Amino acid sequence: GQQVMQIPQYQHVQEGEDFTTYCNSSTTLSNIQWYKQRPGGHPVFLIQLVKSGEVKKQKRLTFQFGEAKKNSSLHITATQTTDVGTYFCAEVDTGTASKLTFGTGTRLQVTL
Amino acid sequence: DAGITQSPRYKITETGRQVTLMCHQTWSHSYMFWYRQDLGHGLRLIYYSAAADITDKGEVPDGYVVSRSKTENFPLTLESATRSQTSVYFCASRFPGQLRNSPLHFGNGTRLTVT
Repeated sequence: GQQVMQIPQYQHVQEGEDFTTYCNSSTTLSNIQWYKQRPGGHPVFLIQLVKSGEVKKQKRLTFQFGEAKKNSSLHITATQTTDVGTYFCAEVDTGTASKLTFGTGTRLQVTL
Repeated sequence: DAGITQSPRYKITETGRQVTLMCHQTWSHSYMFWYRQDLGHGLRLIYYSAAADITDKGEVPDGYVVSRSKTENFPLTLESATRSQTSVYFCASRFPGQLRNSPLHFGNGTRLTVT
């Protein structure tokens, strides 16, 4: 089956610092979705990337899809305490398009 | 999202007992999913369903049974609970059709402890 590796597993930053999480696959990805899960909450959809080399922004969040469609990244500029949570990438199974395979997630802790 | 609800929110059960986790969605989404979340493993797919009466195994189906007699409900049953099934369980749904890659909408989860 497909495997989506996500690094780092955990990152602790001070408020105002930048943060990046990476999602890597050994196979070409059809598309990537990103989710955020606040502590004690459930995953919430952030964005979907479909095209090779695609870059999308949501305020301080920048999402990129690699040119070869084998990796993706989420970059947060000037983190805030509201960014605390776990960020997951998820790839749609090309064999059965209804399934999403999630990365292991990156837990972000932000302190003042 | 208020449109997908899970019950109970918390459950403690003993090894060997049968327990059913409920999931109900009001959007008439065709696709429904059950994931379990454990530290170090992220979200792993247990079972999914493309429509009523159509279910299929995910990555970790052993020890679980699902049914989908109605579009809106997708219960997950642990036939004989084991301690390794202690986890947080999330139900999710999504809209199909041309939006093949539409996002998942998750319920609030059920935290299950097997003693």
